[in-house]
Amino acid sequence: GQNIDQPTEMTATEGAIVQINCTYQTSGFNGLFWYQQHAGEAPTFLSYNVLDGLEEKGRFSSFLSRSKGYSYLLLKELQMKDSASYLCAVKDYKLSFGAGTTVTVRA
Amino acid sequence: DGGITQSPKYLFRKEGQNVTLSCEQNLNHDAMYWYRQDPGQGLRLIYYSQIVNDFQKGDIAEGYSVSREKKESFPLTVTSAQKNPTAFYLCASIGGQGNYGYTFGSGTRLTVV
Repeated sequence: GQNIDQPTEMTATEGAIVQINCTYQTSGFNGLFWYQQHAGEAPTFLSYNVLDGLEEKGRFSSFLSRSKGYSYLLLKELQMKDSASYLCAVKDYKLSFGAGTTVTVRA
Repeated sequence: DGGITQSPKYLFRKEGQNVTLSCEQNLNHDAMYWYRQDPGQGLRLIYYSQIVNDFQKGDIAEGYSVSREKKESFPLTVTSAQKNPTAFYLCASIGGQGNYGYTFGSGTRLTVV
């Protein structure tokens, strides 16, 4: 089975940094994804990690430690448009999703 | 441009009626998936198909049915046996070299009254 945990909510100020943690226990592992989802819309791809380490993409970075079953998504220089839900997902033959972390960015 | 089309975006049905949600892709992807999302919850897998004429139950298949007669199409029927059908339904596909993740459709919000 799959067990994927992430915090329910986080709040931060515009221009700040926020780190969203994700821990997982899964029967198979073929990569970890982070998606952004705005209310009422489909998720959009942010990052993919399959090897340990940090992947950086502009303001967003994602880290993976397979031995610890742990990942985080780092959002830098927060903007109001970053207010959304962030989904951690682990892949085997399918994607299994965490419940999502709602990030609210305040002015 | 290639993508996944879900229709309709909003759907209202009376309790006890079956309803079919459409999902069409022109990405030439082999694998297609249906997920359900409820408020405050992650995406839960309903059914998936890895090849034409074959499909498998996901974690919450009860009260749903699917078909995969064509590579491009993977419709989902929500039957009257589904006890809580009101939700946001997402179709996704995966495939192609270097494509590790999902491409999602825009979703269908089903409300049963």
